[in-house]
Amino acid sequence: AQSVTQPDIHITVSEGASLELRCNYSYGATPYLFWYVQSPGQGLQLLLKYFSGDTLVQGIKGFEAEFKRSQSSFNLRKPSVHWSDAAEYFCAVLNSGGSNYKLTFGKGTLLTVNP
Amino acid sequence: DAGVIQSPRHEVTEMGQEVTLRCKPISGHDYLFWYRQTMMRGLELLIYFNNNVPIDDSGMPEDRFSAKMPNASFSTLKIQPSEPRDSAVYFCEQPQHFGDGTRLSIL
Repeated sequence: AQSVTQPDIHITVSEGASLELRCNYSYGATPYLFWYVQSPGQGLQLLLKYFSGDTLVQGIKGFEAEFKRSQSSFNLRKPSVHWSDAAEYFCAVLNSGGSNYKLTFGKGTLLTVNP
Repeated sequence: DAGVIQSPRHEVTEMGQEVTLRCKPISGHDYLFWYRQTMMRGLELLIYFNNNVPIDDSGMPEDRFSAKMPNASFSTLKIQPSEPRDSAVYFCEQPQHFGDGTRLSIL
C-alpha cells in the first residue's frame, strides 16, 4: 500500500529565508504526487502536482518541487519565504488504477515564519 | 465556478443527535471524496464516489456513519447517533479541489 512520510512536524524559518519541506513516498508504480497548503479554518489548496515529464515542477505562490525517483522524494522548496506562507503543508500520493482514485496524505508539516 | 461548497461551516450539537453534512460539488467531475481531519489522526479518507456510486467506504469508522450521492450535484455525510469522538473537520473534495470543510463539535 502506498504511504507518504513528512519527517518534519514543525519548521520555523525567518521571513526571507529559503525553505525546503521534505516528503518521501512509498508506491509501487510511477507516482502522481501533490503538495497542498492549508491555512487555519480553511480547506486544502493545491500548490503543485507531478504526473510525468520534467521532474522540477513549478507551482503557485512561488513554490516548486523536485521529484527524485532514486530517493522516493518530492521535496517542496521556496527561495524566499513570506509571512503569509505560514500554514500547514501536506504532501500526497495518488493511487490510481482501474476504478481507484485515492489520495494518501502525509501527516503534514506546520510552517511558522518569524519576522 | 464557485468551487466545492460545504454546509454548514460549523455545527455544534449534543451527543446522540443526528448530524448531516452537505457537499455541493463542481459540475463535470466524476469523483467525490469525504475526509475527516483531526489533530491525532490527520486527514483520513472516509468514502469516495465515482459517477455517484460509492467505490470504497472502508474508511467509514462505524455503522453510525453513512454517505450518499443521489446525483452529481449533491452529497451528504450523515452521523447517527453522534458521539463526542466524532468531533473533527469534515472535508468534501473533488480531484484537486477541496471545500472549506465543516467543523463539527459534539458535546
